[in-house]
Amino acid sequence: QVQLVQSGAEVKKPGASVKVSCKASGYTFTSYGISWVRQAPGQGLEWMGWISPYSGNTMSAQKVQDRVTMTTDTATSTAYMELRSLKSDDTAIYFCARTYSGYEDFWGQGTLVTVSS
Amino acid sequence: EIVLTQSPGTLSLSPGERATLSCRASQSVSSSYLAWYQQKPGQAPRLLFYGASNRATGIPDRFSASGSGTDFPLTISRLEPEDFAVYYCQYYGNSRTFGQGTKVEI
Repeated sequence: QVQLVQSGAEVKKPGASVKVSCKASGYTFTSYGISWVRQAPGQGLEWMGWISPYSGNTMSAQKVQDRVTMTTDTATSTAYMELRSLKSDDTAIYFCARTYSGYEDFWGQGTLVTVSS
Repeated sequence: EIVLTQSPGTLSLSPGERATLSCRASQSVSSSYLAWYQQKPGQAPRLLFYGASNRATGIPDRFSASGSGTDFPLTISRLEPEDFAVYYCQYYGNSRTFGQGTKVEI
């Protein structure tokens, strides 16, 4: 069965970076994209970006495009999202999701990233 | 940029009642690129529909979705206790965006 297992919670100081991992199993990793979506406490969903594990092509939201890097390791079927220059309003649950034809059909469990001094 | 507006913000209903949720786009979009998700507290979102009206695997048929242009409704014909959750629409065309969500509460 398709599973996306994310890394554990992180606490970071403002200005630091965080790297969240998302290990996929149960399907051919390079046949689907991986999207990253975040959710601030009590708020809605915010799409951050997408990567093709097959080509390495990425697309990211204008709001974070200068601070986010998405990569994949096809040998381990793992996707990574690094966010730099963290601010307090980056505090959120970060989800990875398998993306098929643009929509997200399977989701990871989420990783809480807390940015606090 | 496409903006999706969901209404109402909160829908207060009882089990067995019918729920109708609205998702309106700021400009006409292809129905091929409209999805709906359900999210329960403490859980990841779950895909309900893609391409505006295509039910995802395992979604009960009491859920239905349709629409075209700028108006995309989601209907739950008879609410079950497990249906009380937050529902998001999403546009996934040449840009990606979510609506702000509708909470369906008892």
